[in-house]
Parts: sequence; structure tokens; C-alpha cells
Amino acid sequence: AQSVAQPEDQVNVAEGNPLTVKCTYSVSGNPYLFWYVQYPNRGLQFLLKYITGDNLVKGSYGFEAEFNKSQTSFHLKKPSALVSDSALYFCAVRPINTGTASKLTFGTGTRLQVTL
Amino acid sequence: DVKVTQSSRYLVKRTGEKVFLECVQDMDHENMFWYRQDPGLGLRLIYFSYDVKMKEKGDIPEGYSVSREKKERFSLILESASTNQTSMYLCASSLVPGTDPYEQYFGPGTRLTVT
Repeated sequence: AQSVAQPEDQVNVAEGNPLTVKCTYSVSGNPYLFWYVQYPNRGLQFLLKYITGDNLVKGSYGFEAEFNKSQTSFHLKKPSALVSDSALYFCAVRPINTGTASKLTFGTGTRLQVTL
Repeated sequence: DVKVTQSSRYLVKRTGEKVFLECVQDMDHENMFWYRQDPGLGLRLIYFSYDVKMKEKGDIPEGYSVSREKKERFSLILESASTNQTSMYLCASSLVPGTDPYEQYFGPGTRLTVT
């Protein structure tokens, strides 16, 4: 069975500093990996995904994520945090070979708090 | 832009009531999903549907059923609501993945309270 771990419930960072939100995964075979963000009282919004190829994936709002197969990790990063980045972030995984069923497994979420 | 709408943002129901949560998407997506979101547990898949009248159980289907009579609409039904079904319910839709694992698009959520 596939699983995702987000080891930090909350990450605190000062505005202008780099941020990292951690994600490790377990899946049979090769993975598709996703990051989503949830602002207060909103649904989830897609940020970026890893399919194959370049291990560094760039996404929306200046975010990027680095796929590391040997460490089974897909950490979300941003070079310079903004207060408006404060939100709940979810990592998700699915194995490549699941046919038409695009069932994702989500992590428990990491709350990012960016302060002035 | 894809739009996924849910019939209510907030809902309060009594124990034992039958509850319907409606979800509509406007992008002709084949796949639709229902999740519940609870603090510390993340998102858990209740049911999903990959075509009209087709459905598959997710990870926590007990106490729920679904209906998909039209491609754009996916309903979640709580046959007899219980207090442990108090939660945020999120609907999502996506295209059928091929070489691209298309991302899911989410609605704003329905916060259901069962008293």
C-alpha cells in the first residue's frame, strides 16, 4: 500500500527566508508526486507535480520541489517566503501503473506559518 | 478554469438524518472523488467514480454511499448521520490519467456538523 509522511505538523519561517516543507513517500514502483496548498476555508489548490525526468520541478507561486528517489522524498521549497504563503500544505502520491484509477494518497498536512 | 462546486459550505444535521452532499464540475472530467478532511489525519478517500453509474470504494466507505447519474454530478450520501461523521467533506474531479497523471481539482468543501 502507498503512504505519505509529512513529519512536521508546523513549519515557522520569517518572511524573506527560504522555506522547506518535507515529504517522504512509500509506493510500489515509480511514483507520481503532487503538492497541494489549502488556504483557510478553501479547497485544495494544485501547486506542482513530478512525473518523470528532471528531479527539480517548478510550480505555482514560486514554489519548487525536489524529487530524490534514493531517499524517497519530495520536499517542497521556496527561496524567499512571503506572509501570504501561510497555509496548509499537502503532499500526495500514487504509483504510475494504476490504470484509469487515479487514486491519490495524501499526507497529514504541514501548516506553514510565515511571519514578518 | 475548472470549477468544482459543492452545494453547501456549512451544514448542521441531527443524528440519524439522511444527508446529501452534492458536487458539480463543469470541465467534463471523467473522474470524481469524495474525501473527508480531519485534523491530523489529512485527506482520506471515501469513494470515487470513473464514469457515470460507476463507483469504487476508497479507504473509508463505511457509513457512506454515492450516486453518479450524470457525468458532471457526484453525490455523497450519509444514510444515517452519526456524530463521528462530523468533518470537512471535499469533492474533487480530474481527467482520466494517461501518460500525464492529471491533477485533481477541488471544490471549496462542506463543513458538516452532526449533533
